[in-house]
Amino acid sequence: SAVISQKPSRDICQRGTSLTIQCQVDSQVTMMFWYRQQPGQSLTLIATANQGSEATYESGFVIDKFPISRPNLTFSTLTVSNMSPEDSSIYLCSVDPGYTFGSGTRLTVV
Amino acid sequence: QQQVKQSPQSLIVQKGGIPIINCAYENTAFDYFPWYQQFPGKGPALLIAIRPDVSEKKEGRFTISFNKSAKQFSLHIMDSQPGDSATYFCAAKVDTGRRALTFGSGTRLQVQP
Repeated sequence: SAVISQKPSRDICQRGTSLTIQCQVDSQVTMMFWYRQQPGQSLTLIATANQGSEATYESGFVIDKFPISRPNLTFSTLTVSNMSPEDSSIYLCSVDPGYTFGSGTRLTVV
Repeated sequence: QQQVKQSPQSLIVQKGGIPIINCAYENTAFDYFPWYQQFPGKGPALLIAIRPDVSEKKEGRFTISFNKSAKQFSLHIMDSQPGDSATYFCAAKVDTGRRALTFGSGTRLQVQP
């Protein structure tokens, strides 16, 4: 199964700033998925990223707030823009095939 | 239609017991049903997965039972150990179009020594 590296593992950010999270996979994958996991909750899909096309966002998530890049078959980034304390969560990437997950980025907005 | 309902929310068993976690779904287009284990501060780790043409799958101490007609599947952990204490998530996906996993709400398992 694909091994996924996520960076940063955690960060504390000021309100109104942006953070870009990187997801690197050790093999080429078709799809990459970005999830949000709020404290003590389940995983909620933010968007699906295919290489060479615009990401597909789930209801409640918009590109202006969560822009995603997918420049090749092994890498993707998620940016959390104009952050507020409500964005404090764990952000996770996953891939198809395999459906393994990275270790996550724990974001705290102050 | 995309929901996966998971129960119980939390579970406490004694060491050696067999915790059972249940999930139910409505979407008959789901074709892949994985279970994940998550420890605090870590990402979910894929434990075991099943497809709907199989009624049971075992990997080590973990077993999935699948009932296609009832649209239910469950995770059994044999000879549970304190190290199994974690949160467990069931999930499901369709094979075409939106291939992302839909997750259950999670079960917090505590195995007491």
